[in-house]
Amino acid sequence: SQQGEEDPQALSIQEGENATMNCSYKTSINNLQWYRQNSGRGLVHLILIRSNEREKHSGRLRVTLDTSKKSSSLLITASRAADTASYFCATELARDSNYQLIWGAGTKLIIKP
Amino acid sequence: DTGVSQNPRHKITKRGQNVTFRCDPISEHNRLYWYRQTLGQGPEFLTYFQNEAQLEKSRLLSDRFSAERPKGSFSTLEIQRTEQGDSAMYLCASSLDDRNPPLHFGNGTRLTVT
Repeated sequence: SQQGEEDPQALSIQEGENATMNCSYKTSINNLQWYRQNSGRGLVHLILIRSNEREKHSGRLRVTLDTSKKSSSLLITASRAADTASYFCATELARDSNYQLIWGAGTKLIIKP
Repeated sequence: DTGVSQNPRHKITKRGQNVTFRCDPISEHNRLYWYRQTLGQGPEFLTYFQNEAQLEKSRLLSDRFSAERPKGSFSTLEIQRTEQGDSAMYLCASSLDDRNPPLHFGNGTRLTVT
């Protein structure tokens, strides 16, 4: 079963606007990772946030983590057409680790020019 | 670093045939993972290797699926007696080790079973 659930399932915005995607999970984690996937391609790692961190930035990306609510958000600022892709969150469970990631079903983001 | 390479990119086969996919991970990466992904879903874990040792295999994985990583470098995933439900994207990923995420993915092999 998938632990991560992304919200919304799909998001369509105008170029230049900000895009926010959310991820909720069920059990304690070591870290949470966000990946992007362009159509028909593999996934590309965007950012990793550890369970003791609350916020991280990378370029136009901002990720927050609220372990009390078991949720994370990914904000893409000043969106571009090239940001059109599916975005997935993946959680590494807090157990002695086989380092298995649990994936959500993703948010499909469309940036309209 | 040439990235993770998967071959073939596409495979069309008839039901009942066997297929084999290959994954070449990033050369210094010890861990190698296989995932399956269907349209509109996230990756589904199949199995992973630490060097040549297969450490975990999904309980949902049919006995028709087998994977090897004989020398701790490239890996193969074989599906025997394919079924239409096996149609999916098969993704390979590698990582340095369990202390060093993230995963680096290949572009996948898209399998269509007719």
